[in-house]
Amino acid sequence: EVQLVQSGAEVRKPGESLRISCKASGYSFASYWINWVRQMPGKGLEWMGRIDPTDSHTNYSPSFQGHVTISADESISTAYLQWSSLKASDTAIYYCAREPTTSGPLDWFDPWGQGTLVTVSS
Amino acid sequence: QSVLTQPPSASGTPGQRVTISCSGSSSNIGNDYVFWYQQFSGTAPKLLISKNDQRPSGVPDRFSGSKSGTSASLAISGLRSGDEADYYCAAWDDSLGRVVFGGGTKVTVL
Repeated sequence: EVQLVQSGAEVRKPGESLRISCKASGYSFASYWINWVRQMPGKGLEWMGRIDPTDSHTNYSPSFQGHVTISADESISTAYLQWSSLKASDTAIYYCAREPTTSGPLDWFDPWGQGTLVTVSS
Repeated sequence: QSVLTQPPSASGTPGQRVTISCSGSSSNIGNDYVFWYQQFSGTAPKLLISKNDQRPSGVPDRFSGSKSGTSASLAISGLRSGDEADYYCAAWDDSLGRVVFGGGTKVTVL
């Protein structure tokens, strides 16, 4: 079974750092992008960026570029989303999602991880 | 304000057909594929329609997608109480250089 399992909920203070993870299983990790999507409380979906685990090539949304870092460790089939200095406005659920590496700019996202709730509060 | 425009809500009685629109522009829907995702309350989104009108394995044929010009639509026929969820359209936007989502449509079964 193809699965993406994300790390558990986190609580941090503003200014702290954080790394959350997304572990893939049931398929060839290197053959698919991993995307990260934010969902703020009661709001819609926002695409943050994606990584090609083969060469760690990344695409970031301009809205998130410079504020988060997406990385991957192919040896353990795991992708990461990282902040060096969290803000209260980073409070949200973060989802990872698998995407085929095709020639077009976008393909389907499937499956999605179960989501990681990040709460940033002083 | 989302780049792709969806109605915030849609509703119908059991058995009815409900249609959700997704309006974009030549830099997104008019230029590439549209994808639809279903999200039940408190759970992760799930792929519902791929590349405008393709149903992944396991998705009932009550769900159908279409695209014309810079707009797309998701239709749910034979509406059931289990279809109550939020539905999002998504596409790549060439001008913005990123994936864009619609604001989501909450479907209610009356």
